[in-house]
Amino acid sequence: KAGVTQTPRYLIKTRGQQVTLSCSPISGHRSVSWYQQTPGQGLQFLFEYFSETQRNKGNFPGRFSGRQFSNSRSEMNVSTLELGDSALYLCASLAGTQNTEAFFGQGTRLTVV
Amino acid sequence: QQQVKQSPQSLIVQKGGISIINCAYENTAFDYFPWYQQFPGKGPALLIAIRPDVSEKKEGRFTISFNKSAKQFSLHIMDSQPGDSATYFCAASMNYGGATNKLIFGTGTLLAVQP
Repeated sequence: KAGVTQTPRYLIKTRGQQVTLSCSPISGHRSVSWYQQTPGQGLQFLFEYFSETQRNKGNFPGRFSGRQFSNSRSEMNVSTLELGDSALYLCASLAGTQNTEAFFGQGTRLTVV
Repeated sequence: QQQVKQSPQSLIVQKGGISIINCAYENTAFDYFPWYQQFPGKGPALLIAIRPDVSEKKEGRFTISFNKSAKQFSLHIMDSQPGDSATYFCAASMNYGGATNKLIFGTGTLLAVQP
């Protein structure tokens, strides 16, 4: 089974721009969640999607948004980028009873300059 | 109440030794406690997980010990190997009435196993 695929692996953007990150979950998994990882704040939950519906959202500003498509692929978007948005963005494909098992992709390293 | 406190921040162990990482939580609604291993440049990999109805779970060289009354859980790595050198994260989550998997992560422990 292929793992979680995140694209692109690396991105460099300028302050004020917007960015879209993509995630393809493990085949057969219908739920995905997104996390931001930074040295200062660690791993923080962004949002979770199941069958194209956002089921849970973390404590991030409205500049952070996401969506899920009918094939379970998910995208997250960050608008009006700030320097502090530089981070590793991780997508997790969820499995197990109550979708508790999270299998992470390699992440997208976003650098805002 | 949503925090998971992890210690130590870093750990150096000799090859063949036992690595022990501890985590503590406050929210008694947490019902799932996984441990993740992360190598540089990679995403976290699920290592082992436990639910509060058991006190210990073992998978190979990795064991989770869970103390519900103390609200603490720990990861033990037996016969530690240089290949185990990585950052380890504990986490906790609760069932939000069907919307689950908002994992609350600890701050991580950087483990170095010396040959």
